[in-house]
Amino acid sequence: GQNIDQPTEMTATEGAIVQINCTYQTSGFNGLFWYQQHAGEAPTFLSYNVLDGLEEKGRFSSFLSRSKGYSYLLLKELQMKDSASYLCAVVDSNYQLIWGAGTKLIIKP
Amino acid sequence: NAGVTQTPKFRILKIGQSMTLQCTQDMNHNYMYWYRQDPGMGLKLIYYSVGAGITDKGEVPNGYNVSRSTTEDFPLRLELAAPSQTSVYFCASSYESQETQYFGPGTRLLVL
Repeated sequence: GQNIDQPTEMTATEGAIVQINCTYQTSGFNGLFWYQQHAGEAPTFLSYNVLDGLEEKGRFSSFLSRSKGYSYLLLKELQMKDSASYLCAVVDSNYQLIWGAGTKLIIKP
Repeated sequence: NAGVTQTPKFRILKIGQSMTLQCTQDMNHNYMYWYRQDPGMGLKLIYYSVGAGITDKGEVPNGYNVSRSTTEDFPLRLELAAPSQTSVYFCASSYESQETQYFGPGTRLLVL
């Protein structure tokens, strides 16, 4: 079967750095997305990786290792507004998006 | 450019009632999707469409129906509502299947 694993919840301090991991086992791989979802709102796009390596976008970076079936989202200089759920999703061999359950990130002052 | 819009925002249904959740996108996207999200859980795909006139089942299609008569609209029909269908429903669209999906604001449905 297809599986995506993320930690259920993480806590970090304002101004710090946090890394949210995602491991996947899917039938094929055609890219990996990270989305942010604030409570009561819709998911919004953060990043997309299809090749190995690090993609940096401001305070957010996303890393992919296809051989290890592993990705992480790195958030720097954390702000209170970063409190949200972070969803990892993989595009499988049928070009369908397989979603993880999400990681709830709690930022403390 | 409104993006993806959904109506209604919130609805309470009685068991056995039916309703249609509306979804419209103005980005000329080929692909449209319906997801449900239960509290503390990830997104589960109900139905999707690759273009007008073409729809297919996702992971959890039972109890739902869809149609796609135009590129813009992708309504989701609930027949004989059950408490298990209490959830938040998101509509999304993308130009191609492997591209970024854009989500509507969601419809919160409570079945009592």
